[in-house]
Amino acid sequence: DSGVTQTPKHLITATGQRVTLRCSPRSGDLSVYWYQQSLDQGLQFLIQYYNGEERAKGNILERFSAQQFPDLHSELNLSSLELGDSALYFCASGSGSGAGDQPQHFGDGTRLSIL
Amino acid sequence: AQSVTQPDIHITVSEGASLELRCNYSYGATPYLFWYVQSPGQGLQLLLKYFSGDTLVQGIKGFEAEFKRSQSSFNLRKPSVHWSDAAEYFCAVGAANYGQNFVFGPGTRLSVLP
Repeated sequence: DSGVTQTPKHLITATGQRVTLRCSPRSGDLSVYWYQQSLDQGLQFLIQYYNGEERAKGNILERFSAQQFPDLHSELNLSSLELGDSALYFCASGSGSGAGDQPQHFGDGTRLSIL
Repeated sequence: AQSVTQPDIHITVSEGASLELRCNYSYGATPYLFWYVQSPGQGLQLLLKYFSGDTLVQGIKGFEAEFKRSQSSFNLRKPSVHWSDAAEYFCAVGAANYGQNFVFGPGTRLSVLP
């Protein structure tokens, strides 16, 4: 058990819709990282939050946004969904400082299917 | 920027045989190196990591990896593979204070024959 909780496990929706993915980091971790995993792109870094503030941005589309709340849980919002957004979305957590600024603990992911 | 290559897309071994999964990285300074395993439909589980010190790192599930700076490699090994080891294995490289520079390799799929 990584200690990272992601909900929901599965999401099925239609093109043009908006969804919210939720992540609770491992206890004590201040950083949350979001990744997208697809067959053609592999594991792509989307965005990182540290203690409520955005720290780093990767290959995140403008249609996507995220935030981290005071209780350190994070939400990834995906809007105007397209078929190509179908993927497994992972959240990871880490201490967020020094050598610990790495996504060491991963959740089980949310599988998003766009119909 | 860092990069990671895993030359083998798919490896098949017999149960009880030894295993070595290759990982090569590109990074200008001393990297932080990781191996993760992903079972079908599951998240990534950290097997082991190297930050500094002893270049032979022991991990969970009987895995070990050796950091070889001269070869820019961090190969994963296991002396005797179990059927439950069948999964996708990802090597990753990171850098201090730069979470966005944490880069995953493309993965190696391991199949285990009974």
